[in-house]
Amino acid sequence: DAGVIQSPRHEVTEMGQEVTLRCKPISGHDYLFWYRQTMMRGLELLIYFNNNVPIDDSGMPEDRFSAKMPNASFSTLKIQPSEPRDSAVYFCASSLTGGGNEQFFGPGTRLTVL
Amino acid sequence: AQKVTQAQTEISVVEKEDVTLDCVYETRDTTYYLFWYKQPPSGELVFLIRRNSFDEQNEISGRYSWNFQKSTSSFNFTITASQVVDSAVYFCALSTGANSKLTFGKGITLSVRP
Repeated sequence: DAGVIQSPRHEVTEMGQEVTLRCKPISGHDYLFWYRQTMMRGLELLIYFNNNVPIDDSGMPEDRFSAKMPNASFSTLKIQPSEPRDSAVYFCASSLTGGGNEQFFGPGTRLTVL
Repeated sequence: AQKVTQAQTEISVVEKEDVTLDCVYETRDTTYYLFWYKQPPSGELVFLIRRNSFDEQNEISGRYSWNFQKSTSSFNFTITASQVVDSAVYFCALSTGANSKLTFGKGITLSVRP
């Protein structure tokens, strides 16, 4: 079975542009997570979904960030407008169930905002 | 609040040496789960192990072993006879109860020299 799929793998954009990151979780997994990794802050959870419903978005940095999960096999993380401080690696992960089940991560999207 | 501390930031060893990576956690919940993930230079996050708070039995998987001690709130990871391919950043993580949020430590960069 394929793992978590993310696209694009690399994104370079200019400040002010809209950026959309995409994720396809492992089939059958009910939970989907978006993380951000930076040198300064490490790995931090942005938002997670259960059965396509957002459960906790307390980690979303500000209104410029939004995430959707229109169906069980697809999620997007959008940044509009993007800023240089958004430069980071964004990971998507999925798990079969919640409550301590292991999360399987995608390869990540490296975002650079100039 | 929950917290994971990985006090070691960088470790360098020569191949075939044993190395232990330390992890100390904080939580007030009685039900929690501990994880180790590996992030090799290629950047993906690889799940290594999951432990729940009711199972203090140590675990061995090949050259890897994990020591869970509730008395000291520690979940340490030992690599025996290290190899160059073990060079990576290793993260310890914690989730509590029914909450699916993973709290990560800052990570330990392990370099294994030939």
